[in-house]
Amino acid sequence: AQSVTQPDIHITVSEGASLELRCNYSYGATPYLFWYVQSPGQGLQLLLKYFSGDTLVQGIKGFEAEFKRSQSSFNLRKPSVHWSDAAEYFCAVGAVGDMRFGAGTRLTVKP
Amino acid sequence: DAGVTQSPTHLIKTRGQHVTLRCSPISGHKSVSWYQQVLGQGPQFIFQYYEKEERGRGNFPDRFSARQFPNYSSELNVNALLLGDSALYLCASSLARGRASSYNEQFFGPGTRLTVL
Repeated sequence: AQSVTQPDIHITVSEGASLELRCNYSYGATPYLFWYVQSPGQGLQLLLKYFSGDTLVQGIKGFEAEFKRSQSSFNLRKPSVHWSDAAEYFCAVGAVGDMRFGAGTRLTVKP
Repeated sequence: DAGVTQSPTHLIKTRGQHVTLRCSPISGHKSVSWYQQVLGQGPQFIFQYYEKEERGRGNFPDRFSARQFPNYSSELNVNALLLGDSALYLCASSLARGRASSYNEQFFGPGTRLTVL
């Protein structure tokens, strides 16, 4: 069965510092992987996605993620965090419709 | 271009009541999926509809039902509401069913916040 684990419930970083959010997945076939961001009271905005090909994918807002099949991971990174990046981040795997989400990582940005 | 729209934005109900949530997909999209997001958790898949037929169902009780109309809009119905049904209900649309791809990306609406008292 497909599943996603986000080991960090809450992360705090200083503005301007680098960021890495962890995501581990379990999936029987070639995974389709996604990162979404959700601001308070809002829907989900797609940051980036991996379907195939280059394992380093670039997304919006300066985010990138690297697919590592050997580690079953798809970690999200940003070299310099901005205060506006404070939000909830969700990793997801699977097909349209039956998409499995992790529990999320809440990001707090310190001034 | 209009994205996925959902109505109402917020809703307050009492236990035992029934609720109907509505979703309009992006123009041209034929697949609509529903997700429940309880506070502090990730979204959980409820249903997928494609071409007006149910194509997938998550692990939710029969109190939850949905349908899709000829214009591809969709309704999610929940009967006999429980306190635990309080959540953000998200609708997502895509061009087709099946595996996601650069062609078949899923887009989410802003959600309906349901509070059950």
